[in-house]
Amino acid sequence: DIQMTQSPSSLSASVGDTVTITCRASEGIRSDLGWYQQKPGKAPKHLIYAASSLQSGVPSRFSGTGSGTEFTLTISGLQPEDFATYYCLQHNSYPRTFGQGTKVEIK
Amino acid sequence: EVQLVESGGGLVQPGGSLRLSCEASGFTFSNYWMSWVRQAPGKGLEWVANIRLDGRETFYLDSVRGRFTISRDNARNSLYLEMSSLRAEDTAVYFCTRDRYCSRTTCSKSLFGQWGQGTLVAVSS
Repeated sequence: DIQMTQSPSSLSASVGDTVTITCRASEGIRSDLGWYQQKPGKAPKHLIYAASSLQSGVPSRFSGTGSGTEFTLTISGLQPEDFATYYCLQHNSYPRTFGQGTKVEIK
Repeated sequence: EVQLVESGGGLVQPGGSLRLSCEASGFTFSNYWMSWVRQAPGKGLEWVANIRLDGRETFYLDSVRGRFTISRDNARNSLYLEMSSLRAEDTAVYFCTRDRYCSRTTCSKSLFGQWGQGTLVAVSS
């Protein structure tokens, strides 16, 4: 199985900050990676597909980069509604695997 | 409006069975793979199983293979998860999610764009 390792597991930031979350795959997954945001008690929301393509309706402050084994999600100018937990997901091979999550908290 | 509505969760004893359903609306159900994803209390997301457009191909997480069966009824726009031999570690909120779109020639790289609200399965004596 492909292991997805996210870092950091949590971070504290202020409104307006730029934050970067990293996801590392245990083997190459091309660009078969998505990013998801989840708020407590809610279903996840899809942000990025194919590592760097913005899902329709998602604000442009979210961006994704990477291919192979190293991927990043960047939020440029953190907004109050962005405080949540973020997950990466690889769908290059089965079983599909999520990262363990990164909780973005208010400083 | 795209909607996915799960039902069928509840409290079940270890070794018991449960059938989850997911009713889809607002999109052409038969054009999408469909998946189940679960989340144990206070934990992260875990993909469980998915099923091809026509229902003829399925994939499972190793820990549920042989105990869970995913199926679909395209005429009813519905997805199912039959769960048996349930264990305490299966306790989770189960989400129905729209997997990738496929035409006759290609499939989208975008998946899990729509999710249901989730249904709680609690396995306990």
